[in-house]
Amino acid sequence: DAGVTQSPTHLIKTRGQHVTLRCSPISGHKSVSWYQQVLGQGPQFIFQYYEKEERGRGNFPDRFSARQFPNYSSELNVNALLLGDSALYLCASSLARENTIYFGEGSWLTVV
Amino acid sequence: EDQVTQSPEALRLQEGESSSLNCSYTVSGLRGLFWYRQDPGKGPEFLFTLYSAGEEKEKERLKATLTKKESFLHITAPKPEDSATYLCAVLPANFGNEKLTFGTGTRLTIIP
Repeated sequence: DAGVTQSPTHLIKTRGQHVTLRCSPISGHKSVSWYQQVLGQGPQFIFQYYEKEERGRGNFPDRFSARQFPNYSSELNVNALLLGDSALYLCASSLARENTIYFGEGSWLTVV
Repeated sequence: EDQVTQSPEALRLQEGESSSLNCSYTVSGLRGLFWYRQDPGKGPEFLFTLYSAGEEKEKERLKATLTKKESFLHITAPKPEDSATYLCAVLPANFGNEKLTFGTGTRLTIIP
């Protein structure tokens, strides 16, 4: 079975631009979460979606938004990019109320 | 607010030299404590979930244990391929969301 898949794997954007990152969860997983990992730090929670509804939001500005589609895939959108948004963006999926949360390989975003 | 502290930040061991990594946590009710392995440039790889004090889980050369305030990841006779960053995270007991709070990780290097 395929794991959590994310795209693109790497991208470079200019300050002020917009970016969309995509995630496909493990088959059968209805919960998708997004995390930001800055170099040398642990991942920081951004959003969680379950059955297309937002279930949790971390301490990130409104420039960050996300959504989940009927097939449980998800998008993370970041507007008005800042240099500080440069990071590894991770998607995680899990079964509802299961305590095994799997991560994808991430999308490396560099803002210049 | 949930908090996770990992120590040491970095650890260098000779091949075959056993040791332990520490994860101290504070959380408003623990649903699960997670251990992940992360290789450079990759997403976190799930290792274990521990649920209650006294629980132990093993996988190859790794054994994770849990108390009410901390968890240990014991590495027995490590090999160079065990070199990675090991992340600890807690999931709170409120079932409304799946926000993992991570520590900053322990960077483990095994010298041949």
